[in-house]
Amino acid sequence: QVQLQESGPGLVKPSGTLSLTCAVSGGSISSSNWWSWVRQPPGKGLEWIGEIYHSGSTNYNPSLKSRVTISVDKSKNQFSLKLSSVTAADTAVYYCARWAAVAVAFDIWGQGTMVTVSS
Amino acid sequence: EIVMTQSPATLSVSPGERATLSCRASQSVSSNLAWYQQKPGQAPRLLIYGASTRATGIPARFSGSGSGTEFTLTISSLQSEDFAVYYCQQYNNWPPEITFGQGTRLEIK
Repeated sequence: QVQLQESGPGLVKPSGTLSLTCAVSGGSISSSNWWSWVRQPPGKGLEWIGEIYHSGSTNYNPSLKSRVTISVDKSKNQFSLKLSSVTAADTAVYYCARWAAVAVAFDIWGQGTMVTVSS
Repeated sequence: EIVMTQSPATLSVSPGERATLSCRASQSVSSNLAWYQQKPGQAPRLLIYGASTRATGIPARFSGSGSGTEFTLTISSLQSEDFAVYYCQQYNNWPPEITFGQGTRLEIK
């Protein structure tokens, strides 16, 4: 079965760029699904960041669009998130998730990785 | 942006009883509504999609209903493992937009 695993630095300095990667195993990133990033600040709710298709097409949350870049590497079966000009408000658990076209929902999630923005 | 509002924020129910959670959309989302369960330290888990279809492996005590702007998640007979936070989530085709409700915490009474 498909599994997702996030990786990347757990600490990022203010004004810097947050970079995370999600490795897809047990299936192909080139399947008919979109791949998303979702975050959750400590003690708060879920926020969709954006998504990518294996073709490279992307959609972003308008509130984050100016700072977000999501990319795909089909050769490595993974996709990545870059969030620039980070502040303490970007401190959160970051999840990667598969958007299932059939279900129109996130059916598979990574375990999440905590990223803290602090000097 | 479509805003999803869940109520109540916290629901206290005894094991074996029924729990009813509500989710309201600021505009119609048709049946593009999903429900997730999240336990502490874990990723969310898909329960319901298409407003009323249970995801694979989800027990029959979980049911979803509604369309348009009003949705309900019902847990018919609460088990100890059901106490968690529940989120609704909508999907809008154009512009592509995914938003979550703020969550309902289901706690043991």
